[in-house]
Amino acid sequence: EAQVTQNPRYLITVTGKKLTVTCSQNMNHEYMSWYRQDPGLGLRQIYYSMNVEVTDKGDVPEGYKVSRKEKRNFPLILESPSPNQTSLYFCASRRGLAGWSSYNEQFFGPGTRLTVL
Amino acid sequence: AQSVSQHNHHVILSEAASLELGCNYSYGGTVNLFWYVQYPGQHLQLLLKYFSGDPLVKGIKGFEAEFIKSKFSFNLRKPSVQWSDTAEYFCAVIMNRDDKIIFGKGTRLHILP
Repeated sequence: EAQVTQNPRYLITVTGKKLTVTCSQNMNHEYMSWYRQDPGLGLRQIYYSMNVEVTDKGDVPEGYKVSRKEKRNFPLILESPSPNQTSLYFCASRRGLAGWSSYNEQFFGPGTRLTVL
Repeated sequence: AQSVSQHNHHVILSEAASLELGCNYSYGGTVNLFWYVQYPGQHLQLLLKYFSGDPLVKGIKGFEAEFIKSKFSFNLRKPSVQWSDTAEYFCAVIMNRDDKIIFGKGTRLHILP
């Protein structure tokens, strides 16, 4: 089954304790991204990756890191979490654009609800 | 700056009522347009998309949307809503051959049984 998986689904942690949220897709997609969803603010992109070893900042990258060593995995790292990073996080993937005539549906993971105390 | 606006933050309707959710974007070039739905406690799922061709697009569960280029709009419609349509709806746009998808802030739809 084609899917995007995230772990953990729920996480409660304390300020300053490094954490990693994993994301994996089995569709051989080139493009992966991380979003955070907050009430009244919708979805905001944190980081994205257009392929292995190619990552770039989204709209709200501060306090986050990512890596893309393998095509299927795109972990989100919070080196020193703070309470303002309490949010619902979604990983997403899709095929990379191959000319403007291509269409690529974005598939979302189930979400990770993070609480930083 | 490029942006996507959803006019209604919260909509409450009775079952069988007709629905129209507004979406406007600010960009004059070529666009790809999407509507995603997020049911309570679930992840986002694609409802429908416009890429090219017929501006009236039909999606799953009886939803449709119309792309009006002159108005920079892509409004979502359904003639008769059901209680199970209670969810949050997001409009999204890809602009200018850019890989980046820009999402609206979402519209929370609540259907009264």
